[in-house]
Amino acid sequence: GENVEQHPSTLSVQEGDSAVIKCTYSDSASNYFPWYKQELGKRPQLIIDIRSNVGEKKDQRIAVTLNKTAKHFSLHITETQPEDSAVYFCAALDRGSTLGRLYFGRGTQLTVWP
Amino acid sequence: NAGVTQTPKFRILKIGQSMTLQCTQDMNHNYMYWYRQDPGMGLKLIYYSVGAGITDKGEVPNGYNVSRSTTEDFPLRLELAAPSQTSVYFCASSYSPAGEAFFGQGTRLTVV
Repeated sequence: GENVEQHPSTLSVQEGDSAVIKCTYSDSASNYFPWYKQELGKRPQLIIDIRSNVGEKKDQRIAVTLNKTAKHFSLHITETQPEDSAVYFCAALDRGSTLGRLYFGRGTQLTVWP
Repeated sequence: NAGVTQTPKFRILKIGQSMTLQCTQDMNHNYMYWYRQDPGMGLKLIYYSVGAGITDKGEVPNGYNVSRSTTEDFPLRLELAAPSQTSVYFCASSYSPAGEAFFGQGTRLTVV
């Protein structure tokens, strides 16, 4: 099955700075890569996703980049705010099975200091 | 619009007991999932379903069972609870595997 590695496990930044979280995946057939944000005590929620036919996608202060050759993708948050503090999970869709399963990274605890 | 609803929110079980975690969604999604979340370990897929009557194992299925008799409901059954099953459980649904998954609010289960 797919193996998703996520780094760093914790990240602290000053408000206004940028934050970058990186993930690698093992299955070259994977073609869908979402990012989920989970605030403390809440459920995970999708913040952005990218498909393998696109190299970059932006949504206001959030962007995701994908390098299919190197099998890695990254989440970029610019002008960070305290409300960005949360755990962020990357995931990759395993297309090796007929049903397709999401494999998640272990998460990154982002703390934004005011 | 309720989305994905899980019950209960919290539960304490004794070793060897059994229980069913309920999950229902009102978005008419064919795809439904059960994940467990352990500290520092991300989300691990337990079981999933692509429609009524069709289920398959995920990464960590041992000790669990599921059924999918309707599009709306996807209960997770724990038989003979063990301390290793102490975790937070999330149910989720999606229109497609390559699309947004909507999560329930989670069930915090402790086995003592």
